Amino acid sequence: GAGVSQSPSNKVTEKGKDVELRCDPISGHTALYWYRQSLGQGLEFLIYFQGNSAPDKSGLPSDRFSAERTGGSVSTLTIQRTQQEDSAVYLCASSPPGYSHPAYGYTFGSGTRLTVV
Amino acid sequence: EDKVVQSPLSLVVHEGDTVTLNCSYEVTNFRSLLWYKQEKKAPTFLFMLTSSGIEKKSGRLSSILDKKELFSILNITATQTGDSAVYLCAVPPSGNTPLVFGKGTRLSVIA
Repeated sequence: GAGVSQSPSNKVTEKGKDVELRCDPISGHTALYWYRQSLGQGLEFLIYFQGNSAPDKSGLPSDRFSAERTGGSVSTLTIQRTQQEDSAVYLCASSPPGYSHPAYGYTFGSGTRLTVV
Repeated sequence: EDKVVQSPLSLVVHEGDTVTLNCSYEVTNFRSLLWYKQEKKAPTFLFMLTSSGIEKKSGRLSSILDKKELFSILNITATQTGDSAVYLCAVPPSGNTPLVFGKGTRLSVIA
């Protein structure tokens, strides 16, 4: 596609339920990032996939959070047993190979606004 | 720990004013500093700065880096209501780890 696509754009869920957020990166982009942005806060890094390497999960806030990337393309972020503090905008970004640092070529999706009630 | 601090956190100005947004950073192995504009959800890239003292300019927006004092400023002249957004500053830390972002400056331009 022309850009990074995220779905759903909005999700309201009850506390304790599981949710799945999807990110479809730009075709050919090898790096994929998930960030979280809580109200009034900056972007908090969650997880990073680069090609076929093991993902960098150092930003995941708890073991309720997990992500996978199938076939080096689409990624799914799963939050189990959601809590109210999980309410935030979840942003995905991808970047192509060929930069001196993969972060330089970031293109962001429009995000998923998650509200846990 | 790599860190980015932006100030002010929010700012309200009138159309036509000039604003200066600040970003200070601490990073072990500096390579660059990036500015993004976030209007609704998706941040969009504005500038990447790598060298001290060289101004990057795009229309009414400009930015400069001071690697000695570890900060950057983003200037917007003759502000318009369309400039209302959150402006984010970010640095890539060591290795291939993802960008570290500041909390952003929320700019509101009123007519």
